[in-house]
Amino acid sequence: DTEVTQTPKHLVMGMTNKKSLKCEQHMGHRAMYWYKQKAKKPPELMFVYSYEKLSINESVPSRFSPECPNSSLLNLHLHALQPEDSALYLCASSQGPSSYNEQFFGPGTRLTVL
Amino acid sequence: AQSVSQHNHHVILSEAASLELGCNYSYGGTVNLFWYVQYPGQHLQLLLKYFSGDPLVKGIKGFEAEFIKSKFSFNLRKPSVQWSDTAEYFCAASNQAGTALIFGKGTTLSVSS
Repeated sequence: DTEVTQTPKHLVMGMTNKKSLKCEQHMGHRAMYWYKQKAKKPPELMFVYSYEKLSINESVPSRFSPECPNSSLLNLHLHALQPEDSALYLCASSQGPSSYNEQFFGPGTRLTVL
Repeated sequence: AQSVSQHNHHVILSEAASLELGCNYSYGGTVNLFWYVQYPGQHLQLLLKYFSGDPLVKGIKGFEAEFIKSKFSFNLRKPSVQWSDTAEYFCAASNQAGTALIFGKGTTLSVSS
């Protein structure tokens, strides 16, 4: 299984809602990532988890809260988002946190904030 | 500051034409370099990567890239494109001690049959 899965595929939420994005991989990878991708733009790194510990937070606003419950799962909790947070949220995983390891990307969750 | 730049925003080619997409990086120290592809409606996939050694690297689907250290470049090439190569292409880099990938802005390739 060389797949990273993400749910839901699409999400529409209001600015007062609380929602969560989920990501799962069963490749035994020990590094997992959240990226944000706006239309016609490159992915921008948000968070890196290495061995289930948060290792990189790229100055992301606190309305985004990551969680890594175990080595296969990565969540992104959303609260009080703004319309400008609408984007494609990509999850990725790699065997380890080193850049020598290929990152495998999921299909993304397309988020719309009204 | 670390950065990756892609010169071509949108490239339009006919089938069988040759392709070269430019990528330049600005990094201190040694870098790892990547090309990713995003087909319409699909997830990002790795085309090829360069860490060290032979500066000409071959990837999947007939793509290759050449690392030219003196020019800080890692251009992607394919001798003969197909309609199915229509996609968004991203160059990315990471310093060898690091984890984070920095992506270029991407190049949209449209191939007409």
